[in-house]
Formats: sequence, structure tokens, C-alpha cells
Amino acid sequence: EIQLQESGPGLVKPSQSLSLTCSVTGYTITSGYDWSWIRKFPGNKMEWMGYISYSGSTNYNPSLKSRISITRDTSKNQFFLQLNSVTTEDTATYYCASGSAPFDYWGQGVMVTVSS
Amino acid sequence: DIVLTQSPALAVSLGQRATISCRASQSVSISRYNLMHWYQQKPGQQPKLLIYRASNLASGIPARFSGSGSGTDFTLTINPVQADDIATYYCQQSRESPTFGAGTKLELK
Repeated sequence: EIQLQESGPGLVKPSQSLSLTCSVTGYTITSGYDWSWIRKFPGNKMEWMGYISYSGSTNYNPSLKSRISITRDTSKNQFFLQLNSVTTEDTATYYCASGSAPFDYWGQGVMVTVSS
Repeated sequence: DIVLTQSPALAVSLGQRATISCRASQSVSISRYNLMHWYQQKPGQQPKLLIYRASNLASGIPARFSGSGSGTDFTLTINPVQADDIATYYCQQSRESPTFGAGTKLELK
């Protein structure tokens, strides 16, 4: 079974960059699937942020397009999220997931707080 | 963006049927494909895929969960409701850039 695990700092200062890693086991990320990042805000709203496909192409939520980058390290079977110029409104629980329509498997999530 | 509207909460008795609705601001169907999916999330856990493309049961999901609908109106049914089903349920569309509903919290009556 595919398993995903997010990791990264739980606290980021405003105007800095948020960087998270998703480690995948049970499946090779170059074999198939899109690999997505999704976040859930306080108050429960969920937002799809973007994905990197098994071939390495990316697709981003238009609302984040100027600030987001999703990359990967195929040797480590990991993919990454970078979100630039964060504000307090980026405080959320961040999930990585396999797929894009639908999201089949999810990591446990990592809570990130943006605060000075 | 396609906006998905869900009722905030639904109270149900154990052993009864729960019907959770999701309405899209525009059609999420293409040809015979209904691009609506349902997830369950319990406190402190990640979301779990229940139903994909409106009516297909995801792997390992009990048969008391079912989905239906097309176009703009979709329904998730749980019958009979068990204690373990108390959770928040989200719909999500993939017709365009993915969006989620705000979630329906299933509560015990």
C-alpha cells in the first residue's frame, strides 16, 4: 500500500518561504500517479495547492501560481512543496496525497503556523 | 472556480440512514463521467477516500457507503450509520481545478 509522510518546520515567519517534504513508500513516484499537496485551514476549508506528475510536469492552483513550486527527488522517492512570501493566512495543516482526481492516499499532515 | 455547497451538519441515529448532499455551482460531469468524489475525515486523522467518480466505492470501504448523482447534485448515503461513521464528510470535484466542499459534520441525534 502507498504510504506518504510529510515533514518540515512547524513554524515559519511571515515573508519567508515554507518548505515541506513528502516521503513516499510502497510505490515509486515515477511509476504513475500525480503527487499532490493539499492544505486545510483552521475552520476546515480545504484547498488543493498543486501536483507534480509521475513524468515531472507540474500543475498549480491558479490562486497560488506566483508563490508555489513543487519539485521532486526521484532517488529518494520524495516530492517537495515550496511556498514563498507566506503570511498568517497560510497557517494550515498541509497534506501530501497521491492522485489528483481523486486523491487516493493521504499523509497524516503537518501543521504549519506562520507567525513572527 | 467550481463552488461546492454542503450543509454544515447532519444529526442521525445509529442504525438509520444518513444522506449527505453536495451541490456544484456548475456541472462536474463530462460524458458519462461524474467527476465528484467523497472523503471522510475524523479528528486528528487525514482524509480518507470513500467514493470516487460519484458512485464507485474505494478499496476497503464498507458497502454501507454509497454515492449517487450527476451534473450538479450529488449524494453520499450511509446506511446503516454506525458509531465509527461519526466524522466530517467532504465532497471534491475534479471537473476543473480541484475544489472541496466545506464539509458536513455527521453527528449523533
